[in-house]
Amino acid sequence: GQQVMQIPQYQHVQEGEDFTTYCNSSTTLSNIQWYKQRPGGHPVFLIQLVKSGEVKKQKRLTFQFGEAKKNSSLHITATQTTDVGTYFCAQGRGNEKLTFGTGTRLTIIP
Amino acid sequence: NAGVTQTPKFQVLKTGQSMTLQCAQDMNHEYMSWYRQDPGMGLRLIHYSVGAGITDQGEVPNGYNVSRSTTEDFPLRLLSAAPSQTSVYFCASSYRNYGYTFGSGTRLTVV
Repeated sequence: GQQVMQIPQYQHVQEGEDFTTYCNSSTTLSNIQWYKQRPGGHPVFLIQLVKSGEVKKQKRLTFQFGEAKKNSSLHITATQTTDVGTYFCAQGRGNEKLTFGTGTRLTIIP
Repeated sequence: NAGVTQTPKFQVLKTGQSMTLQCAQDMNHEYMSWYRQDPGMGLRLIHYSVGAGITDQGEVPNGYNVSRSTTEDFPLRLLSAAPSQTSVYFCASSYRNYGYTFGSGTRLTVV
C-alpha cells in the first residue's frame, strides 16, 4: 500500500522561530490529513487537503498540498510553547484505511 | 456528546490471557479504526470498519480480532496476549471524507 515518509523526525526550535515538516509519497495521494499529538495525549485532527496545489491556513499554521499530490507540508510561523507535540500526516483513499506517517516531534526552547 | 470513549484506560495482562478493549462513539460516524502506538513511534493501523457488519485488516492485524455489530461500538479483542502487544491503543471514528476523532487511549502492558 501507499506509504508516506515524514521529515524531519525531530525538530528543536527557539520560541518565535518558524517550523516546517514535510510528507512525501512515491505515489499520488487522493488526499492528506494532518494531526497533532501533545505529549501524553491523543492525536487531534487539524486539517484535510484534497486538491492539487491546495493551501489552507489556520492562524499561524499553513498547510500545502503539492501540485502532483505526492507531497505536503505544514509550516508554523513564530512558534509558541503551545505548539509542542508530534505532528503527523496521514493518507487513505477516501477515509478508509487511514495510515500515518512517522511524525515530526517538535520541541520548543523558551 | 461524549465523542469516542475507550475503556479501560490502563490494563496489565499476563502472557496468554485474552481481553477486549472497548470503543464506543456517539457521533453516528460510519468509519471506525483501531491503532497501536509504540513508544516514540507513529500510529499503526490494526483493523478498520466502514460500517456496521463490515471490517477489514490494517497494517498489523495479527493477534487481534474485531467486530462491528452496531454503528456505535467497535471492540478490539486480543486473543492470546504477548509482550510484543504492549502498547497504547487508540480507537478513532469519522464521517466519510473527514478527519478522525480519537479516543484518549488504552495503555496496555503484557508481562
